[in-house]
Parts: sequence; structure tokens; C-alpha cells
Amino acid sequence: NIVMTQSPKSMSISVGDRVTMNCKASQNVGNNIAWYQQKPGQSPKLLIYYASNRYTGVPDRFTGGGYGTDFTLTINSVQAEDAAFYYCQRIYNSPWTFGGGTKLELK
Amino acid sequence: QVNLLQSGAALVKPGASVKLSCKASGYTFTDYYIHWVKQSHGKSLEWIGYINPNSGYTNYNEKFKSKATLTVDKSTNTAYMELSRLTSEDSATYYCTRWLPGYGFAYWGQGTLVTVSS
Repeated sequence: NIVMTQSPKSMSISVGDRVTMNCKASQNVGNNIAWYQQKPGQSPKLLIYYASNRYTGVPDRFTGGGYGTDFTLTINSVQAEDAAFYYCQRIYNSPWTFGGGTKLELK
Repeated sequence: QVNLLQSGAALVKPGASVKLSCKASGYTFTDYYIHWVKQSHGKSLEWIGYINPNSGYTNYNEKFKSKATLTVDKSTNTAYMELSRLTSEDSATYYCTRWLPGYGFAYWGQGTLVTVSS
């Protein structure tokens, strides 16, 4: 089975900074990756689909990239409301595996 | 608008079973697969499996094949997940979610907290 590995596990960023988090697949998954944001006590929300496409209503400061095995989620000019967990997921094929997540904290 | 309404929190004893529900509205229930996801406290997300509400076809993560059983009731637009032989490892929040073709898991229920304790 494909393993999705996210790094770093956590990061502490100041408002206005640019942050990049990583997701590595153990096998080539093409662009079949989605990214989700989850805040405490809430359900996950879809941010990015097919590696680089922003979902409806997602601010353009969120950018996804990558192909094959290495993927990134970048947040330009981080806002206070971006403090959350972020998860990547291999989509379109079973098992629909999630990564371990990256916790983004604001200083 | 699409809405997935899950059943309330459950406190169950070790060794027992529990059946969670996910009532869909705002779309044609039989047109889209329903997936289930587990999130243990403070942990990441685990995909459990999905069901095709139209045919009843299911696809499970190997890890959950002997733990979870997915069913639907088309008459009430409700998906169910039964968890059997519960242990403390099954204590978690369980989400139902609907795939939006061409996108991802765009719609999520609010989650059901299952606590296994004597």
C-alpha cells in the first residue's frame, strides 16, 4: 500500500510569513493528491484537488504543487485563521490514504 | 445544499457493537459514494472504506475489513457503519464524507465520537 509522509509534523509561523509543507508518496501517484485543512473541533475541509487546483472559495494564498511522489502546499502571507492541521490524501484509488498531517501554529 | 448529518456520540462497552448513521440531503443519494474516515484523538485521518448507495457495493481498507460493515437505506437516504467487537483502539471520531467527482472529499458530516469504556 502507498504510504503518504508529511513533513514537518509541526511548524510555528508569524502572520504574514510564507510557509511550505511537504507530502511524499511512497509510489508514483501522478497528480492524484488532495489537501485538507482541519481546525480543532471541526471536520476537514477540502483545499486543493489534483495536486494544484484550489477548491471553490479557497483563498488564492493557498497553492498546491508537485507530481509523482513529491507534493507541496504553500500558504503565502499566512493569516491567523490559517492555524490548523493540514493533511494530504492520495485520491482516486483504493486505499485513499491520508498523510500524518502538519500542524501549523501561529506565533 | 449537500448536507451529511451524523448520529450523536456513543458510549459503548468493550466487546459490543455500535451502528453509526449518516443521513444525506441536498442531492440524489444514489448518485455518489459515501466514504467513512476514522480519526483517533489527536491523530491523523484513516480511510475506512466506501459504499455505492445505488448497488450496495463496498470497498474496505484491509485494516478495517473485519471491523466495519457499511450499509445504506435508500428509502431514508441514510448510510450506516457498524463497528464490531469494540476495544479501546476503536475510540475515535468517525466521519462520513462524500466524494465530489473531479475534486475530492468536498462534503463531510460533523463526526460521531465513539468512546469504548466499561
